[in-house]
Amino acid sequence: AQSVTQLGSHVSVSEGALVLLRCNYSSSVPPYLFWYVQYPNQGLQLLLKYTTGATLVKGINGFEAEFKKSETSFHLTKPSAHMSDAAEYFCAVRAGNTGFQKLVFGTGTRLLVSP
Amino acid sequence: ETGVTQSPTHLIKTRGQQVTLRCSSQSGHNTVSWYQQALGQGPQFIFQYYREEENGRGNFPPRFSGLQFPNYSSELNVNALELDDSALYLCASSLGKRQRLDTGTEAFFGQGTRLTVV
Repeated sequence: AQSVTQLGSHVSVSEGALVLLRCNYSSSVPPYLFWYVQYPNQGLQLLLKYTTGATLVKGINGFEAEFKKSETSFHLTKPSAHMSDAAEYFCAVRAGNTGFQKLVFGTGTRLLVSP
Repeated sequence: ETGVTQSPTHLIKTRGQQVTLRCSSQSGHNTVSWYQQALGQGPQFIFQYYREEENGRGNFPPRFSGLQFPNYSSELNVNALELDDSALYLCASSLGKRQRLDTGTEAFFGQGTRLTVV
C-alpha cells in the first residue's frame, strides 16, 4: 500500500531563509506525488505534482520538489521564505487500483515564518 | 479559486443527529471524492463517486453515505453523529479515468465544511 511520511510536524524559519519540508514515500508502483498547501480555515491548494519524467518539479509561489527514487523522497524546498508562506503543507501519494484512485496524505508540516 | 464549492462552510450539530454536506464539482469534472480532516491530521479518504456511482471507499462506517447527481455535484450524509465526527470535510473533484493509473488529472479541493458535533 502506498503511504507518505512527513518528518517534522513544525518547521520554523526566518523570512528570507531556505525552506525545506521533508516527505518520504512508500509505494509498490511508480508513485504519483503531490504537495498541497492549506492556509488557516481554507481547503487544500495544489503546489506541485510529480507523475513521470523530470525529477525536479517546479510549482507555484516559488516552490519546487525533487523526486529521488533511491532515497524514496520528495522534499519540498523554496530558496527564500516569505511571511505569506506560513501555512500547513501536506505531501500526498496517489493510491488505488484500476477501479479508482485516491490521495493518501501525510500528517502535515506547519511552516512558521518569523520576521 | 478551484471552482469547487462546498456548503455550508460551518455547521454545528448535536450528537445523534444527521447531517448533509454538499459539493459542486469543477466544470467538466465527473469524479468527486470526500475526505475527513480531523484537527491536526491529514485528510483521510472517505469515498469517491464517479458518474453517479460509488467508485471506492475508505475505512469509514456505513453511517457515512453519499450521492452524486447527474450534474456531478455530490452530497455526503452522516447519520447518528458522534463527537469524533467533528472535523473539516473536504470535497475534491477530478476528471477520473477509471481504468488507468498513469493518466488522470490532479484533484481540486473545495474550501471545506467545518462540522462541530456537540
